[in-house]
Amino acid sequence: DQQVKQNSPSLSVQEGRISILNCDYTNSMFDYFLWYKKYPAEGPTFLISISSIKDKNEDGRFTVFLNKSAKHLSLHIVPSQPGDSAVYFCAAMSFGGANAGGTSYGKLTFGQGTILTVHP
Amino acid sequence: ETGVTQSPTHLIKTRGQQVTLRCSSQSGHNTVSWYQQALGQGPQFIFQYYREEENGRGNFPPRFSGLQFPNYSSELNVNALELDDSALYLCASSRQGSFWSLHFGNGTRLTVT
Repeated sequence: DQQVKQNSPSLSVQEGRISILNCDYTNSMFDYFLWYKKYPAEGPTFLISISSIKDKNEDGRFTVFLNKSAKHLSLHIVPSQPGDSAVYFCAAMSFGGANAGGTSYGKLTFGQGTILTVHP
Repeated sequence: ETGVTQSPTHLIKTRGQQVTLRCSSQSGHNTVSWYQQALGQGPQFIFQYYREEENGRGNFPPRFSGLQFPNYSSELNVNALELDDSALYLCASSRQGSFWSLHFGNGTRLTVT
């Protein structure tokens, strides 16, 4: 059961234009949504997040929009730069119940990723 | 500030063998999570450790086990390796309660033949 889906395996954009990456989810219990960027041979790097109680969060060239009724979020990159070329993962955070020791845990559910290529 | 480091970077094992992967968490972080990323897929949550105990687990069989040490470093052990275990294994650290600020290592690429 794929709870987080990125339906576009790849996206190609011209430098200076807007890149829009999309993500859909099915579980309405997710508390946070995050976007990660991943270069080959490196681990995912956090980009931007949004709480489930908000509909927009902005950080420089990156903006994330959340539409809870549609269970959809998107990442906008404006303007796109060649250095933005990477795999982008959408992820949703959920929190697990406390174990016998009384501590809860956080778990990320990732989408399959979208390969973004920004052409000079 | 030292980031998350994982070793080895690459590993080749034979089906049925056992493997141990290692992770040093970022300084100041006390929680470690492990993820498996199969080719063409997003990372999948294996489990999380805090205070040297597993405090959360994803949909992985018991042959996937782990340890966390007093210095917050961690190991992932996989017994009776199967071909489908071939993947990139990612370790991520955070402070307990700040799970949204996970810092990932560069991963260990495991190939099972």
